[in-house]
Amino acid sequence: EVQLVESGGGLVQPGGSLRLSCAASGFNFSSYSMNWVRQSPEKGLEWVSYISGSSGTIYYADSVKGRFTISRDNGKNSVYLQMNSLRAEDTALYYCARDCFSTRCFDYWGQGILVTVSS
Amino acid sequence: QSALTQPASVSGSPGQSITISCTGTSSDVGTYNYLSWYQQHPGKAPKLMIYDVSNRPSGVSNRFSGSKSGNTASLTISGLQAEDEADYYCSSYTTSSTLEVFGTGTKVTVL
Repeated sequence: EVQLVESGGGLVQPGGSLRLSCAASGFNFSSYSMNWVRQSPEKGLEWVSYISGSSGTIYYADSVKGRFTISRDNGKNSVYLQMNSLRAEDTALYYCARDCFSTRCFDYWGQGILVTVSS
Repeated sequence: QSALTQPASVSGSPGQSITISCTGTSSDVGTYNYLSWYQQHPGKAPKLMIYDVSNRPSGVSNRFSGSKSGNTASLTISGLQAEDEADYYCSSYTTSSTLEVFGTGTKVTVL
C-alpha cells in the first residue's frame, strides 16, 4: 500500500524557516518523481515544487522560487522541502504528492501538514 | 500563471448527471492532454479521478468521465450519488514558468 506521511509543519514567524519531510513507503521510491502541493482557503490548490527520481530535474512555482528548496534521499525514501524567508501568504496545508508514472498527474497524496506563518 | 477557471458550484439530484467545466489557455489545457481531475472530501487529501483528459485510474467508478474541447475540459458525473458530494479540481501541465496549474475548484452538492 502506498503511503506518504508529511511532518515538520508548525507555527513560524515571518522571515523564518521550516523544513518539511515526507516519508514514503509501499513503492519503489527512486522510480518516481515527487511534488509538494499546498492548499489555502485564499488560493485553493497550488503546485509548489517537483523533483525527479534522480534529483536531476527540479522545478519551482514562481511564488516560492529562490526561497524554497526541494530535495530527496532515496536511501531514506524521503522527500524534503526547505522553506526560507517565509511570508504570511505561505500559510497553507502542504501535501506531498507522488507523480504519476509516465504521465503528468498526482496519483497519491499524503494527509497534509499545516504551516502557519504569523507573528 | 493564473489558475484554471471552474464554476464555484454545481448541484444535481441523485441519479442525475452533472458536468464541471475547466477553462484554461493555449499554454495549458488547449495544447496538452495532461489534464487531470481530483475529488476532495472535507478534511481529506485530494484523490485522482481522471488523468490524461479521459482516463480513469483503477478503482474509480465509471460514472466519472472526462473530455476536452479547445481550451476547456469537462468532468461529467453520471448517476449522481450522495458520496459524490465534494470539491473537484482540475489540473493541467503548462508551458508557463510553472510546471502545473490547478483549477479554482468546484463544490458539488447533491440535492
